[in-house]
Amino acid sequence: DIQMTQSPSSLSASVGDRVTITCRASQSISNYLNWYQQKPGKAPKLLIYAAYSLQGGVPSRFSGSRSGTDFTLTISSLQPEDFATYYCQQTYTTPLTFGGGTKVEIK
Amino acid sequence: EVQLVESGGGLVKPGGSLRLSCAASGFTFSSYSMNWVRQAPGKGLEWVSSISSSSTYMYYADSVKGRFTISRDNAKNSLYLQMNSLRAEDTAVYYCARGGAYSPDDYWGQGTLVTVSS
Repeated sequence: DIQMTQSPSSLSASVGDRVTITCRASQSISNYLNWYQQKPGKAPKLLIYAAYSLQGGVPSRFSGSRSGTDFTLTISSLQPEDFATYYCQQTYTTPLTFGGGTKVEIK
Repeated sequence: EVQLVESGGGLVKPGGSLRLSCAASGFTFSSYSMNWVRQAPGKGLEWVSSISSSSTYMYYADSVKGRFTISRDNAKNSLYLQMNSLRAEDTAVYYCARGGAYSPDDYWGQGTLVTVSS
């Protein structure tokens, strides 16, 4: 199975900060990497798919990048509505696997 | 508007069975693969199962293989998850999602809670 190691598991940041979350795959997954945002009591929401592509309706302050098996989600200027938990997911092969999540909290 | 509405969750004893349903609307259901994803209380997301658009391919997590069965009825725009031999560790919110085995999950239902407890 492909392991997805997400870091950090949590972070505290202020409105306006630039935030970076990393996900490392245990083997090559090409660009089959997606990012989701989840708020308490709600279903996850797709933000980025295929490592770089912004899902429709998602603000442009969210972006994704890749370097080998390392993937990054960047929020360029954190907004109040961005405080949530973020998950990466590989869809390269089954079993599909998620990272452990990163909880973004208010500093 | 794409909508996915899960139902069928509830409290069940260990060893029992439950059938979850997911009613889809707002898109051509028969053209899309679908997933079940679960989330144990306070934990992260776990993929459970995928089914292709015409039911040709079905995939399962090892943790549910042999106990859970995914199916769909394209005439009824519905996705199902038959869960047998339930265990305490199956306790979770179960989400249906439009996506499949090799695609991102672009739409999710609101989830249905399954609690396995004596």
